[in-house]
Amino acid sequence: NAGVMQNPRHLVRRRGQEARLRCSPMKGHSHVYWYRQLPEEGLKFMVYLQKENIIDESGMPKERFSAEFPKEGPSILRIQQVVRGDSAAYFCASSPSGGNQPQHFGDGTRLSIL
Amino acid sequence: GQNIDQPTEMTATEGAIVQINCTYQTSGFNGLFWYQQHAGEAPTFLSYNVLDGLEEKGRFSSFLSRSKGYSYLLLKELQMKDSASYLCAVKGSGNTGKLIFGQGTTLQVKP
Repeated sequence: NAGVMQNPRHLVRRRGQEARLRCSPMKGHSHVYWYRQLPEEGLKFMVYLQKENIIDESGMPKERFSAEFPKEGPSILRIQQVVRGDSAAYFCASSPSGGNQPQHFGDGTRLSIL
Repeated sequence: GQNIDQPTEMTATEGAIVQINCTYQTSGFNGLFWYQQHAGEAPTFLSYNVLDGLEEKGRFSSFLSRSKGYSYLLLKELQMKDSASYLCAVKGSGNTGKLIFGQGTTLQVKP
């Protein structure tokens, strides 16, 4: 019974490159959430998606960041033209529905920008 | 604004009891969650409170007072493996799904 799967675990990019982070939710979960954790800071909400729909993107930076959760395949968080400040741990979580059921987290992707 | 406060660090002794407090001020409230996070790992769900009172689950209990904007996580019979960060998170009202996290409390359990 696999949990939330994120890959890669570690990603290194040079400034100006693109970063693509993948998240496969737990089996039976159709709601996906992305959070960012900067060093010494708490988790910050970025975006909430259901299959083929963005429900809440209030935490997404206005530029360079985008997210999708297609009908088939994992959810993708894309960061274009990365900058040093994008270095962080990016966590994905999933839940069966959008109610008050707990969100279950993946192990995260540690993004480092050179 | 939205604000969740937790102590940054706590230290306790193996076998003892420790209480981690969390106060919150959010626009809307639809439940409070506690997560445990070991360094370099995923946050794991511990407890959920939406009504006032105490929820007990084994060695862990969580309390909520909505009128005071206050919660605590109580850990009994501390074990060395309980050394971790404990994250308090509030879910706002509406269909957002967003969890608002505090900065977390790093608990160190000493022998």
